[in-house]
Formats: sequence, C-alpha cells, structure tokens
Amino acid sequence: DAKTTQPTSMDCAEGRAANLPCNHSTISGNEYVYWYRQIHSQGPQYIIHGLKNNETNEMASLIITEDRKSSTLILPHATLRDTAVYYCIVRRLGGSNYKLTFGKGTLLTVNP
Amino acid sequence: EPEVTQTPSHQVTQMGQEVILRCVPISNHLYFYWYRQILGQKVEFLVSFYNNEISEKSEIFDDQFSVERPDGSNFTLKIRSTKLEDSAMYFCASSALRGASYEQYFGPGTRLTVT
Repeated sequence: DAKTTQPTSMDCAEGRAANLPCNHSTISGNEYVYWYRQIHSQGPQYIIHGLKNNETNEMASLIITEDRKSSTLILPHATLRDTAVYYCIVRRLGGSNYKLTFGKGTLLTVNP
Repeated sequence: EPEVTQTPSHQVTQMGQEVILRCVPISNHLYFYWYRQILGQKVEFLVSFYNNEISEKSEIFDDQFSVERPDGSNFTLKIRSTKLEDSAMYFCASSALRGASYEQYFGPGTRLTVT
C-alpha cells in the first residue's frame, strides 16, 4: 500500500472548518484513500473513503486532487468532540491484503 | 446503530497466564479482525478471520496467539502465556465484506495489563 504523510498536529477553533491534509504521492490507480479517527484510546472510527471523486457524508467531506497524490479531509464545523488523532490510510482494491495500516496520524485539537 | 462490543473493558493478568479477549462483531458482518495498540504507539494489525479460518496474520501474531469464533456471535482472541510486552489495548473490528471499498468498524477495546 502507498505510504501517506500527514502533519503531526493541527489546531482549529470550535465552529470553524478543520482541513486535514494528507500526501500520498505514490498512490496507484487501484488504491482507495480512507480516513479514520481515534478519540483518546477509543477504537478507531471510520469517517469516509474515496477513490478519485470527492465524497461527502454526514461526518465530513473528502477532497482528492485530480492527480490523486494528495487529499484533504474537511470537518465543516468542528466541535470539541472532534479532538482526536486522524489517520489517512491508502488501501489497495482487490488482492488478499485487507488490513488497515495505521501511521501516526494528525492530532487535531479543537479549541473553544 | 449496530456496533462492535468487547469484553472485558480492562483485564489484568500475571505474566505466563492465559487470557481470552471477547468480541461481538456487528451481526451481519462476515470478516473479523484484531488489532492492538501499545501505549503511545501506532495501531497494529494482528489477524483477520473469515469463514472460520485465518485469512491473514502479522508477524506479531505468533504461536502464543489464537483466534476463534466459537458460536454465531462471538469472536475471541486468546493469548496462551502472556508476556509483559503484551500489555496493550486490543481492538476487535468487523466488516460486511472483504475488500478495500468496505470499511471496518472497531469496538471500544480491551485494555490488557500484564504484571
């Protein structure tokens, strides 16, 4: 699976949009971009995933650049409960490898 | 909303003892996983399980570890002879189908402390 690079930490004001970047310059055409988050020692929580089109759900939006080498997770109105470590993960479609490989992620701190 | 549950939430055991961590995956899911997270470190994959057999395992998942689906609802991780370095949070996950386009749902974890 392609390697991802994320900033170690970010801050965001409550009520503002949080934009979390991820670089995956070696991504191949059959790899998805996934985002999970982990709120202080809880189990990782699925947020959103996409292949090449932008995606939106009730939690967030995922913007993938046209060349697919980077993406941005957007939390439109961050709340204090969104403080967590956010993981960007690239996973290959097909094959036999379905595990999630977590990196260090980005610690997002939402401030009041 | 359906969720993965895990018991116990915290397990304390002495080195060399056997422990069994239990998980109840989401009811219509077919693929099951165990991950662990040592304090302050990354979440690490241990094993995936489908159709009553292991489909993939990591280097961490040695002969001291085993998994089982003893009935239609539970999924267990057994550590035969615990070591101090097995102290970690253990997370169970499940997914409806296998493949990169299917998300995994995680339980709240079991904190294992080996003394």
